[in-house]
Amino acid sequence: GENVEQHPSTLSVQEGDSAVIKCTYSDSASNYFPWYKQELGKGPQLIIDIRSNVGEKKDQRIAVTLNKTAKHFSLHITETQPEDSAVYFCAASKGSARQLTFGSGTQLTVLP
Amino acid sequence: EADIYQTPRYLVIGTGKKITLECSQTMGHDKMYWYQQDPGMELHLIHYSYGVNSTEKGDLSSESTVSRIRTEHFPLTLESARPSHTSQYLCASSESSGDNEQFFGPGTRLTVL
Repeated sequence: GENVEQHPSTLSVQEGDSAVIKCTYSDSASNYFPWYKQELGKGPQLIIDIRSNVGEKKDQRIAVTLNKTAKHFSLHITETQPEDSAVYFCAASKGSARQLTFGSGTQLTVLP
Repeated sequence: EADIYQTPRYLVIGTGKKITLECSQTMGHDKMYWYQQDPGMELHLIHYSYGVNSTEKGDLSSESTVSRIRTEHFPLTLESARPSHTSQYLCASSESSGDNEQFFGPGTRLTVL
């Protein structure tokens, strides 16, 4: 089955700096890659996703890049703010008929 | 407003008790899921359902059971709670078609003494 590895497990950045979280996946048939943000005491919430026919996607301060050849994808957060502090999860699936496989999570702390 | 709800949010219970964690969604989604999340953060799929009367076990073995009698309702039951069941339980739902965007509830934090 699919295996998703996520790094780093913890990340601290100064407010205003950029943060990058990386994930690798094992199944070359995976074609959907969402990123979730989980704030303390809440369930994960989708913040951005990318499909395998696209190399990069942006939404304001958040971007995701996908390298299908290397089977890795990354989340980029620019101009970080304290409210970006949360746990971030990457995930992969082979489409709606398959389950999401989640990475192990990254605890991001933005220091004021 | 379309949403996904979980009750209770917090539960502290003694060993041997039977418990049911409730999950309901108002989005009309066919697919529903239960995840177990330990303090180490990782999400483990323990049950899922593709529709009414459909239930499957997930990747992580669990002593819990689920039922799906109505589209909007996906309760999880532990017949005899043990301290090893102490964890956070997250419910999610998604559409049948398209990508697998899953919408999560707020979770139930279960503590078994």
